[in-house]
Amino acid sequence: AQTVTQSQPEMSVQEAETVTLSCTYDTSESDYYLFWYKQPPSRQMILVIRQEAYKQQNATENRFSVNFQKAAKSFSLKISDSQLGDAAMYFCAYRRGNAGGTSYGKLTFGQGTILTVHP
Amino acid sequence: KAGVTQTPRYLIKTRGQQVTLSCSPISGHRSVSWYQQTPGQGLQFLFEYFSETQRNKGNFPGRFSGRQFSNSRSEMNVSTLELGDSALYLCASSWGDVTNEKLFFGSGTQLSVL
Repeated sequence: AQTVTQSQPEMSVQEAETVTLSCTYDTSESDYYLFWYKQPPSRQMILVIRQEAYKQQNATENRFSVNFQKAAKSFSLKISDSQLGDAAMYFCAYRRGNAGGTSYGKLTFGQGTILTVHP
Repeated sequence: KAGVTQTPRYLIKTRGQQVTLSCSPISGHRSVSWYQQTPGQGLQFLFEYFSETQRNKGNFPGRFSGRQFSNSRSEMNVSTLELGDSALYLCASSWGDVTNEKLFFGSGTQLSVL
C-alpha cells in the first residue's frame, strides 16, 4: 500500500519570505501523480500544484514550486514571497496512475502541515 | 461556474442514529468521491461513484454507504452512528476520466456524534 508522510506538523514563515514543506512517499508503482492541496479555515481543499511522476521537470505555479526527487521518493513544496493568505493546512497527496479501478477518485494523503504566516 | 456543494454544513446526531449527507458536483462532472477527515486518522478515502455506479471503495465498514443519481449528485449514508464517526466529510468531483486526475473539493459537512 502507498503511504505519504509529512514530517513537519507545523511550520511558520515571515511574510515575503520563502518556506519549504516536506513530503515523502512510498510506492512500488512507476506511474503516479503527486499533489499539494491547501485547506484554509473554510475547510475547502484547494489544489495548489501537481506533478506527474514521468516528468522530470519540477512543476511550478506562480509562487509555488516543487522539488520532485523520484529516486528518493521526495516531493517538497516551496512557497516564495509568502503572503498572509497562504496560511493554511497543506496536504501532500498521491494517486496511482492509470491502473484501473484502484485509481478512481482515490488520493492518499499525508497528515498535513499547518503553515502560519507572520506579518 | 458553481463549485462542489455539500449540505448540510453542520450536523449533530446521537449514537445509533443514521445520517445522510449530500454532494452536488460541478456541472458536467460525473465522478464523485467521498473522504472522511479526522484529527487522528487524517483524510481517508471512502468511495467513488461514476454514472450511478460505485467504482472504487476504501476500507470502511458496511455502515458507510453511498449512491449517485442520474444528475451526478451523490449522497452518503452512515447507519448506526458511533462516536468515532464524528468527522469532517468531504466530497470531491471530477470528470471521471482517469487520465484527468484533478479533484475539486467541497467545503465539507462537519458531523458530530454525541
